[in-house]
Amino acid sequence: GDSVTQMEGPVTLSEEAFLTINCTYTATGYPSLFWYVQYPGEGLQLLLKATKADDKGSNKGFEATYRKETTSFHLEKGSVQVSDSAVYFCALTSDDAGGTSYGKLTFGQGTILTVHP
Amino acid sequence: GAVVSQHPSWVICKSGTSVKIECRSLDFQATTMFWYRQFPKQSLMLMATSNEGSKATYEQGVEKDKFLINHASLTLSTLTVTSAHPEDSSFYICSGRASYNEQFFGPGTRLTVL
Repeated sequence: GDSVTQMEGPVTLSEEAFLTINCTYTATGYPSLFWYVQYPGEGLQLLLKATKADDKGSNKGFEATYRKETTSFHLEKGSVQVSDSAVYFCALTSDDAGGTSYGKLTFGQGTILTVHP
Repeated sequence: GAVVSQHPSWVICKSGTSVKIECRSLDFQATTMFWYRQFPKQSLMLMATSNEGSKATYEQGVEKDKFLINHASLTLSTLTVTSAHPEDSSFYICSGRASYNEQFFGPGTRLTVL
């Protein structure tokens, strides 16, 4: 079945540092890939997505590129801020070719990011 | 984005009792709602998918008689944990799918069974 593996956290960085959170996946067919973010006390929010190989999703300075050859979707940001402190989830769905997140989502275990001033 | 609320945010109950968790889409109509369970430091596991007005579809290994899901309207779904036991203690998260296919998540409900 489908699975998602994220780098283990927690990750602690200083403000303006470079961020990478690794994500690899196993899926049948051609899944759509997502990064969700969960701020303290709030629900998961879609951060970015990519629906096919070599697509780059981007939002709020975060980027991730769909790499089919390495089955990866690593999240990056060039300069993190304290407000980026949250839990980040990598996810995929393989039953919706349209790239929307309506289908069943398979999540990674989440990575806690803490950014210090 | 659209908002999904859950109530209660935290509940403590005695073993053997039943607990109901509500999931509401506040500003959109959710034709489909999903219920997830999350253990500490683990990923979200999909429990079931419910469509308004029809029976929920449960994932393999999820006891449908223990986790009763009702999706009576386009803005409300409920999860009832029947005869709860300590092993049911977990974080339960719902999400709703809007007509334009985006999925929005609630903040979660922490259940502790003593």
